[in-house]
Amino acid sequence: QKEVEQNSGPLSVPEGAIASLNCTYSDRGSQSFFWYRQYSGKSPELIMSIYSNGDKEDGRFTAQLNKASQYVSLLIRDSQPSDSATYLCAVNGFNKFYFGSGTKLNVKP
Amino acid sequence: EAGVAQSPRYKIIEKRQSVAFWCNPISGHATLYWYQQILGQGPKLLIQFQNNGVVDDSQLPKDRFSAERLKGVDSTLKIQPAKLEDSAVYLCASSLAGGGPGDSEQYFGPGTRLTVT
Repeated sequence: QKEVEQNSGPLSVPEGAIASLNCTYSDRGSQSFFWYRQYSGKSPELIMSIYSNGDKEDGRFTAQLNKASQYVSLLIRDSQPSDSATYLCAVNGFNKFYFGSGTKLNVKP
Repeated sequence: EAGVAQSPRYKIIEKRQSVAFWCNPISGHATLYWYQQILGQGPKLLIQFQNNGVVDDSQLPKDRFSAERLKGVDSTLKIQPAKLEDSAVYLCASSLAGGGPGDSEQYFGPGTRLTVT
């Protein structure tokens, strides 16, 4: 079992729609959760971090965390073609970092 | 504020040769990470330093990979001898070292793309 699991996609959504990206993790002791965006040929860029159960909103992005279900999600509202990228979920538990393999998002104009 | 610096950006070597990568973290970031990212996969942590001490190197292939961070600032990662399967992007990231929220947020450098032929 992988420490962090993501659906590889691709997830295709039309411009203006809500994109929903999901991630599950195996370590119940995990304390910090991150979403990174990675454009093709570029390095990962931090877009959201979340540390407690519930929702955290930042502009068009909302991260949701449910520790009981070991589940993290990222919602992107009003998706734009420029949001097309691979989204990586990362989890930190007791100083051990694990990344998922990423979900590729395509936003169609 | 300057970001994480890495060099070189690209490197092509033959198998069995050696190669070294350099990383300079964001100023004030005590924690430094080296990752290997193979095409189509997420980054895999190779080694994590806090200041000049190793926190985690459990996934570092120690028979061929080595890393150091002698003065607690910049770091080098070396591969000797290289194998074909080492072809990947090597990413360096840094973060603050405190225990508070946000202190483990990692910021990545541009990476070094290694091709082993």
